[in-house]
Amino acid sequence: EVQLLESGGGLVQPGGSLRLSCAASGFTFSSYAMAWVRQAPGKGLEWVSATTTSGGSTFYADSVKGRFTISRDNSKNTLYLQMNSLRDEDTAVYYCAKRISSSGGSFDYWGQGTLVTVSS
Amino acid sequence: EVVMTQSPATLSVSPGERATVSCRASQSVSSSLAWYQQKPGQAPRLLIYGASTRATGIPARFSGSGSGTEFTLTISSLQSEDFAVYYCHQYSNWPLTFGGGTKVEIK
Repeated sequence: EVQLLESGGGLVQPGGSLRLSCAASGFTFSSYAMAWVRQAPGKGLEWVSATTTSGGSTFYADSVKGRFTISRDNSKNTLYLQMNSLRDEDTAVYYCAKRISSSGGSFDYWGQGTLVTVSS
Repeated sequence: EVVMTQSPATLSVSPGERATVSCRASQSVSSSLAWYQQKPGQAPRLLIYGASTRATGIPARFSGSGSGTEFTLTISSLQSEDFAVYYCHQYSNWPLTFGGGTKVEIK
């Protein structure tokens, strides 16, 4: 059974940093592209960042470019999102999502999400 | 950026009736289009990918159609568990983008 378990969310002040983790199990982690998607309270889905199977290529939404860094450790089956210079508008539930293939595609499995609240 | 526009924002349907949700892309995304269902407090669930392929375990009452810029999600006979928010998503171009969502509610 595919499982994605996010952790690392919490309350942080504007300008602060957080590191999210996503522990994956039930599939060959190193064979699939992965991504982060967020959802602000009461709002829709927003793609944040994605990475290839090796982590050698990374992609970011303009809203987080230069502040967030996606990475992965295939030896630990874990995906990360380092978030720096956090802003109020980064407040959201952050989902880790598995892409359907090694080359990308849709998101076939999602974690339950971790809440990040940016507030003073 | 490919802007995904869903309509309607809210759809009121009686159980057993048919529901149709539309999604329009601002430029062609070929068949790189997925549909997700999200219930309150839950993560999204993949329903359709490749515009028309049902994901594993998705009931046959869910179907997707379209290509290029116009797409449709149809639920042939709404069940109580189908009342939720539905999102379309294009994965043809960076940045990946989602539609604003369509809430399917009980009439």
